[in-house]
Amino acid sequence: DIQVTQSPSFLSASVGDRVSITCRATRPISNFLAWYQQKPGKAPELLIYGASYLQNGVPARFSGSGSGTEFTLTISRLQPEDFATYYCQQLHTYPWTLGQGTKVEI
Amino acid sequence: VQLVQSGAEVRKPGSSVKVSCKVSGGTFSSFPISWVRQAPGQGLEWMGRIIPLLAKPKYEKKFQDRVTISADLSSNTTYLEINSLTSDDTAVFYCAREGGGAIFGAFDPWGQGTQVTVSS
Repeated sequence: DIQVTQSPSFLSASVGDRVSITCRATRPISNFLAWYQQKPGKAPELLIYGASYLQNGVPARFSGSGSGTEFTLTISRLQPEDFATYYCQQLHTYPWTLGQGTKVEI
Repeated sequence: VQLVQSGAEVRKPGSSVKVSCKVSGGTFSSFPISWVRQAPGQGLEWMGRIIPLLAKPKYEKKFQDRVTISADLSSNTTYLEINSLTSDDTAVFYCAREGGGAIFGAFDPWGQGTQVTVSS
């Protein structure tokens, strides 16, 4: 199975900060990587697909980059509503696998 | 497209549970539906998926012995059934539509989640 590992697991930041989360896959996955945001008690929501494409309706302060085995989610200027947990997911090879999550806290 | 799941369930150890996920507002038959587990305070785990038109589910190895994913084309609904429940199955279960090639198969949208609690 392809494992995906996120770092860091926790991230402490302030409103207005630029933050980055890394996702590494154990084998190349081209750009079949998605990023999701999950707030407490809510279902995850798609932010980025194909490693770098912004889902409709997602603010432009979110961006994704990378290909192969290393990927990054960047939030350019953190807003209060961005404090949440973020997950990456590989969709290249079964079984689909998700990272362990990165909690972005104040 | 909207995915609406059935309500919370409480079950005793050793019993089974069946959770539903109704798709409305879009094409049901050809887009895969996946199921994802989230144990309390834990991350997201992919369990398996089904393409309703093909009715041939695919499972993550750790779930394949106790889990059945099915689909009913007449009601645009997919189901997740879990047998031989233990307290470790206490979790929120989400369904999600795989978006196809246009979004590299990413999951969108998601259902609202169904809490399953296993307790004696």
